[in-house]
Amino acid sequence: AQSVTQLDSHVSVSEGTPVLLRCNYSSSYSPSLFWYVQHPNKGLQLLLKYTSAATLVKGINGFEAEFKKSETSFHLTKPSAHMSDAAEYFCVVSGSGNTGKLIFGQGTTLQVKP
Amino acid sequence: DAGVIQSPRHEVTEMGQEVTLRCKLISGHNSLFWYRQTMMRGLELLIYFNNNVPIDDSGMPEDRFSAKMPNASFSTLKIQPSEPRDSAVYFCASSNREGANVLTFGAGSRLTVL
Repeated sequence: AQSVTQLDSHVSVSEGTPVLLRCNYSSSYSPSLFWYVQHPNKGLQLLLKYTSAATLVKGINGFEAEFKKSETSFHLTKPSAHMSDAAEYFCVVSGSGNTGKLIFGQGTTLQVKP
Repeated sequence: DAGVIQSPRHEVTEMGQEVTLRCKLISGHNSLFWYRQTMMRGLELLIYFNNNVPIDDSGMPEDRFSAKMPNASFSTLKIQPSEPRDSAVYFCASSNREGANVLTFGAGSRLTVL
């Protein structure tokens, strides 16, 4: 069965410092992995996706994530946090097949301090 | 494209009342997903459709919940009778055949059952 574990429920950084949001996955086959972002009172927006091409994936707003099979990780990073990055971030793994059925992590709340 | 459109955005109702949530898919998308988000349980997939056909409804909590897709662009999620524990944000998402694992989410319907 597929699952994701987000290792931190809450991360706090200062504006201009790096962001690291950690995610480990479990999958019985080569997974598709995603990061979605949810701003307060909004729907979820796709940040980036990994689908077995390049292991370093670049997304919107300066975010990127690296797929590491040996570590079963897909951590999300950004070199310099901006106040507008404050949101809830979800690591997501696809279910079996190409059905669109996604399995969400519990989410990490990113706080950005001025 | 207006994206995935959900209505109502907010609903407050009393226990025992019927609740109907609505979702309009993005034109050309053929898969529809209903998710529920709560603080305790995070994001849960309730049901999803491919080409108007329900594929997996294992996430539907109980018989009080029902979902329909009367045509290719519209879906409803009905709760009858509603209970306070149904209070949550309900998200609708859609995808197309080419990007089956990439979902576009609506802004959500926040339901409060008193």
